[in-house]
Amino acid sequence: GENVEQHPSTLSVQEGDSAVIKCTYSDSASNYFPWYKQELGKRPQLIIDIRSNVGEKKDQRIAVTLNKTAKHFSLHITETQPEDSAVYFCAAPAGGTSYGKLTFGQGTILTVHP
Amino acid sequence: DAGVTQSPTHLIKTRGQQVTLRCSPKSGHDTVSWYQQALGQGPQFIFQYYEEEERQRGNFPDRFSGHQFPNYSSELNVNALLLGDSALYLCASSLALAGTSSTDTQYFGPGTRLTVL
Repeated sequence: GENVEQHPSTLSVQEGDSAVIKCTYSDSASNYFPWYKQELGKRPQLIIDIRSNVGEKKDQRIAVTLNKTAKHFSLHITETQPEDSAVYFCAAPAGGTSYGKLTFGQGTILTVHP
Repeated sequence: DAGVTQSPTHLIKTRGQQVTLRCSPKSGHDTVSWYQQALGQGPQFIFQYYEEEERQRGNFPDRFSGHQFPNYSSELNVNALLLGDSALYLCASSLALAGTSSTDTQYFGPGTRLTVL
C-alpha cells in the first residue's frame, strides 16, 4: 500500500515569513495529492490539492508543488499569519486509485508567532 | 448547502460495549469514507461505502463494520470496544467518478470523539 512521509513534524515561524512542508509518497501510481489544515478540536479542512498532470498550483498565499519523478510534493505558505497556526496533513491515495483510500502523513504542527 | 454532519459529537463507553456512529454526507455526494484519528496522528482509513456496499477497507479488524443507506448516509459500528479504540472518528463524503473506482475530493465532517473507559 501507499506510504506517506511528512516533514518537519513541527515548524515555528515569525509572522510574515514563509513556511514549507514536504511529503514523499511510495506508490508511483498515485495521481492526486490533497493538503488538509486541522485546527485544534476541528475537522480537517481541504486547503489545496493537485492532480498529477500539473507541477504546481497556487491559491493566494498557498501553493503546492509536485515532483512525480522524485515522488514528493510540498506545501508553501507565504506571508504567514497567526491564523495559519494549525496542524497540516498531506495525503495520497493508496493502491493507484485516484481519490478513494487516502493515506495521510504524520502531520506538521505549524506555529506562527506574531 | 449543508456540509458533512456527524452524530453524536462525543461519546463515552466502557470496554466490551458496542457503539454506532452516524454520518450524513454533503448534499450531492454519494460516497462515504470513515477514518480513525488517534491523538497526535493523521487520520487512518477504515473503509469506504458506495451504492450501499463496502468498496474499500483499511487494516481494521472485523469488529469495525458499517452500513450505507439509500439516502447515502452511513453508520460505523464498533463491537467489543477496547481502550485503544478511543479516538476521533471522522467521516468524509465525496462524489464517485463515473466509470471508475475512484471518487472526487473528500470533505470531512466534524467527527465524533469516542472515549472508551
